[in-house]
Amino acid sequence: DQQVKQNSPSLSVQEGRISILNCDYTNSMFDYFLWYKKYPAEGPTFLISISSIKDKNEDGRFTVFLNKSAKHLSLHIVPSQPGDSAVYFCAAVGSAGNKLTFGGGTRVLVKP
Amino acid sequence: GAVVSQHPSWVICKSGTSVKIECRSLDFQATTMFWYRQFPKQSLMLMATSNEGSKATYEQGVEKDKFLINHASLTLSTLTVTSAHPEDSSFYICSAMPGTGDYGYTFGSGTRLTVV
Repeated sequence: DQQVKQNSPSLSVQEGRISILNCDYTNSMFDYFLWYKKYPAEGPTFLISISSIKDKNEDGRFTVFLNKSAKHLSLHIVPSQPGDSAVYFCAAVGSAGNKLTFGGGTRVLVKP
Repeated sequence: GAVVSQHPSWVICKSGTSVKIECRSLDFQATTMFWYRQFPKQSLMLMATSNEGSKATYEQGVEKDKFLINHASLTLSTLTVTSAHPEDSSFYICSAMPGTGDYGYTFGSGTRLTVV
C-alpha cells in the first residue's frame, strides 16, 4: 500500500504561471515532509521541506503547505520557469525512524 | 554543502556477473546511507539502510544475499549486485545523512545498471 501518493502523474503549465503539485499521505506517524526535483538519470535534488508543527514554509519561488488534518501537502512554484520542467517527488519521514518514503512523482512541463 | 558521489554512473554487465556500486560522502561523515532503486517512470523504492560498522537493514522483499551492502567507513558504502540478471536492470541511487542527525538527506547522481 502506498503511504505517500501523488495522484497527478503529470502537469503542464505556462511559463510565469503557478504550478501546484499535490501529495497525500496515510501514515499519521509522518512528521516531516520534503520535496525533491529530479531529472532523468540523475539523483533527486532537495527543494524544500516542512515540519508537521508548521503549516507553511517558503523559500524563494517555492512554498510548501501542509494540512495535517487532511494529511495533505502541496508545493507551489511561482512563477514557473522552463528550467522547472522535471519530475517532482514528495517524501515523508516519521519521528520513529529516518527512512524516506517517496510518492510516485509528478512530471512538470513548463511551456515557454 | 554536502556532496555524495556515486560511481559508476552507468554500467553494462553480462548475466551471472557481479557489479559493485560505490557511494561516497565527500565532505561529511555519513553514519547512515540508503540505497534506492527506481524503475522507469516509477518512484524511488528504498532497498536497504546501511549503517556504518553494522549490518544493513533490508526492506521487505529485497534479497540481502543478492544485494550485498557494505558500509565499512563513515564515508563509503557499497552495493554489490551479485549474479546479476536482466530483471536487475534499473537505476540505483544512494543517499547519505550527515551524522548530525538532521534530515539533510543528500543523494548521489545514480547508477544505471543494464544486465545483458
